[in-house]
Amino acid sequence: QVQLQESGPGLVKPSGTLSLTCAVSGGSVSNPNWWSWVRQPPGKGLEWIGEIYHTGNSNYKPSLKSRVTMSVDKSSNQFSLRLTSVTAADTAVYFCACDTTGYYNGFNSWGRGTLVTVSS
Amino acid sequence: SYELTQPPSVSVAPGQTARIPCGGNNIGSETVHWYQQRPGQAPVLVVNADSDRPSGIPERFSGSNSGNTATLTISRVEAGDEADYYCHVWDTSGDHPEGVFGGGTKLTVL
Repeated sequence: QVQLQESGPGLVKPSGTLSLTCAVSGGSVSNPNWWSWVRQPPGKGLEWIGEIYHTGNSNYKPSLKSRVTMSVDKSSNQFSLRLTSVTAADTAVYFCACDTTGYYNGFNSWGRGTLVTVSS
Repeated sequence: SYELTQPPSVSVAPGQTARIPCGGNNIGSETVHWYQQRPGQAPVLVVNADSDRPSGIPERFSGSNSGNTATLTISRVEAGDEADYYCHVWDTSGDHPEGVFGGGTKLTVL
C-alpha cells in the first residue's frame, strides 16, 4: 500500500509562499495515478486543492488556480505544492492523498497531514 | 461548480442505524465516495464508488445513491463510529475533473 508523508514549514508570513512536499513510499510517483492535495481549515471541512500526474499534467481548483503550482520530482519520489500570496484564510491542515486505482475513485491513501499557519 | 450538501450533525443511539445523507443535483448520476475522519486524524475511505467497501471496513458500513441524494448507512452503531463523515465526488462537467467534498456531518453516538 502506498504511504504518503507531508513535510514543510508550519508557519508562513502573510503574502508569502506556502511550500509543501509529499514523500511517496511503498510505490512510485510514476505510478499511473493522480496525486492530490486536500486542505482543512481548523474546525472546518475538506477542500480539494488540485492534482498532478507524473507527466507534469495538473488540474487545480478554479478558485485557487491563480495561486497554485504543483510539481513532481521523480528522482526523490515526491510531489509538491506551492501556494502564493497566502492570507490567514489559507491556514489549514494540508493533506496529500491519492487514489491508487487511477480511475478517479475515492482517495484510498492519505498522509497524516501537516498544519500550516499563516501569521506574522 | 457542483455542490454537495450534508447536515451538520446526526445523532443515534448505540446499536441503532445511522443514515447520513449527501445531497446534490442529480447526484444519482455521479459516483460518490465516503470518508470517516476522527479528531486529529486523516480521513479514511469507508465507502467507494457509491457502495463498495474497501478492505478492512466493517460490513456495517454501506452506501446507496439515487436521485438527488446519496446515503451512507452505518448499522449497529458503536461508540467508535463517532466521527465526522464526508461525501466526495469528481465533478467532470468542466474542462478537467474537480474534486468536490460535502461540508461534513458529525455523527454523535448518544
